[in-house]
Amino acid sequence: GQNIDQPTEMTATEGAIVQINCTYQTSGFNGLFWYQQHAGEAPTFLSYNVLDGLEEKGRFSSFLSRSKGYSYLLLKELQMKDSASYLCAGMDSNYQLIWGAGTKLIIKP
Amino acid sequence: DVKVTQSSRYLVKRTGEKVFLECVQDMDHENMFWYRQDPGLGLRLIYFSYDVKMKEKGDIPEGYSVSREKKERFSLILESASTNQTSMYLCASTSGGTSGANVLTFGAGSRLTVL
Repeated sequence: GQNIDQPTEMTATEGAIVQINCTYQTSGFNGLFWYQQHAGEAPTFLSYNVLDGLEEKGRFSSFLSRSKGYSYLLLKELQMKDSASYLCAGMDSNYQLIWGAGTKLIIKP
Repeated sequence: DVKVTQSSRYLVKRTGEKVFLECVQDMDHENMFWYRQDPGLGLRLIYFSYDVKMKEKGDIPEGYSVSREKKERFSLILESASTNQTSMYLCASTSGGTSGANVLTFGAGSRLTVL
């Protein structure tokens, strides 16, 4: 079956670095997405990886290892506004998205 | 700057009522989707549409139907609402093609409570 696993909740300190992991099992693979969702708001796109390696976008980076079925989202210099849920989604061979349940990130001062 | 608009943020309905959830996008996107989001679960696809008057079942279509009469509008219909349909409903759209890099733009969601 197809499955996405990510931690339910993480806590980090303002100014620190946090890594949110995601493991995936999909039928075929056409990329891995990360979305951010603040409470009560729409999910918004953060990153897309289809090749192995690290993609950096400002304070946020996303990593993919296709051989391990593994991705992570790295957030640096954490700010209070980064408190949100982070959704991992894998795209299968039919270009359908399989979603994880999301990781709620709590930032403490 | 709103690009995907869902008509109702909060709805309370009674069991057996017919419910319409409306979604409009202004980006001229071909593809539109309806998901439901429940605590502890990933987004689950209800229905999607790649073109006007076209619809495809997603993973959990039972108890739902959809309508796409115009490119910009995609409606989700609950013919007879039940308490297990209490959920957050998210509409999303993306441009055409099967590129894996197609990014979804979501609406803010419609929280439906069925009593």
